[in-house]
This record gives sequence, C-alpha cells and structure tokens, in this order.
Amino acid sequence: NAGVTQTPKFRVLKTGQSMTLLCAQDMNHEYMYWYRQDPGMGLRLIHYSVGEGTTAKGEVPDGYNVSRLKKQNFLLGLESAAPSQTSVYFCASSYSGEHTGELFFGEGSRLTVL
Amino acid sequence: GQNIDQPTEMTATEGAIVQINCTYQTSGFNGLFWYQQHAGEAPTFLSYNVLDGLEEKGRFSSFLSRSKGYSYLLLKELQMKDSASYLCAEVDSNYQLIWGAGTKLIIKP
Repeated sequence: NAGVTQTPKFRVLKTGQSMTLLCAQDMNHEYMYWYRQDPGMGLRLIHYSVGEGTTAKGEVPDGYNVSRLKKQNFLLGLESAAPSQTSVYFCASSYSGEHTGELFFGEGSRLTVL
Repeated sequence: GQNIDQPTEMTATEGAIVQINCTYQTSGFNGLFWYQQHAGEAPTFLSYNVLDGLEEKGRFSSFLSRSKGYSYLLLKELQMKDSASYLCAEVDSNYQLIWGAGTKLIIKP
C-alpha cells in the first residue's frame, strides 16, 4: 500500500537551476495536486489535474510547470529556481475534487534554493 | 479574499480534553475539513463538515456552525501521539480549498 509517493525527499538547488519533482499514486485517482507549505501559512495550491493529459493553474502557479502524461504520475517542474521557491512541496491525490473528498498526501519534498 | 483563523499553538495535558477553534468568512461556504499533520509528515484527513452540528469519530469530534462561521475540533482522552498540527480548510464559493496555517498542539505528560 504505497499510496502517494514523492521523489526526491530532499533537494538543494542553486538559483537558476532546474529540477523536477515526481509524484506517483497507486489508488487510480483521477485528481492530483501540487501544494507548497511555508511556515506560518496555509497550504497553497500550485497546479492540479483532473485527469490524465489535463492540468490547471492553482493559487500560486508562477515559476512552476506540470505534466500528467500518465494517470498515476504528476510531475512538478521548476525551470529556473529562485530562493522564494524554498519550501516543502506536497503532492496529493483524490477520487473526486479536493472540495468533496479526502485528499491523500505524499510525505513531502523539502526544497532549498540557495 | 478568504481568511481562515486558528490559534498558532496550544498546550494540553495527557488524558485531558482540548478544543481547537477555526473561524472563516461565511460568504460562499461549501464545507470544512480538518486534517492532522505530525511534524515532518504528510497531512492526514480527520473530518469533513458541511451541515451544522457535531460529528463524532472515536476520540475526535468536529463541530460546525455555518451562521457563525465557526468550527472546532474536539480531542478527548489526549495521548502523547496527538501532538501534531491540526489544519482547518474551508471550501470556498469557487469550490476550492482555503487552508488555515494550522494549530500546533503540544501534549504534556
């Protein structure tokens, strides 16, 4: 029962570098999400997907791109990392939309941009 | 924009009862979630309220008053493992989740 798996768990980048965070879920969920969590703030939605081949912008999409080529995978890319993107990133999935049912979260990816 | 307010930190004693409050703006309300998040771990679902009243689930209960824009999470018979952050999230008028910053609950022996 893997649930939602994120890789890598930790990463340090220099300003301007690029990277991709991978999220995989084995629950056959249609909906997948990427959030960031910063101290003193609530979770903020970056991008989400309502099904394979679809993506949509969330609350804070600038500086990030996503792809959902396969139903079970949702990738988050940073093309040119900035210190403001230092955060803990959580992937989540759900059977129905985030507003109607339980979200299943991955364990988080801690990213530091120097 | 929507504001979700919950206390930053609370302290309680093992075996006791604690109530964690959450207030939100009432316009366009479509439901309220509570999640638990242990330090360094993923949030996990606790409860969902869309109608007024109390919903009990074991040692945890969640209450909602839509007219007052108010919810609380009630934890009974506190255990050390209940030390965690508790996140309140409102479903807004656009059916999107607005998350509070979380309440860090510290349980003392």
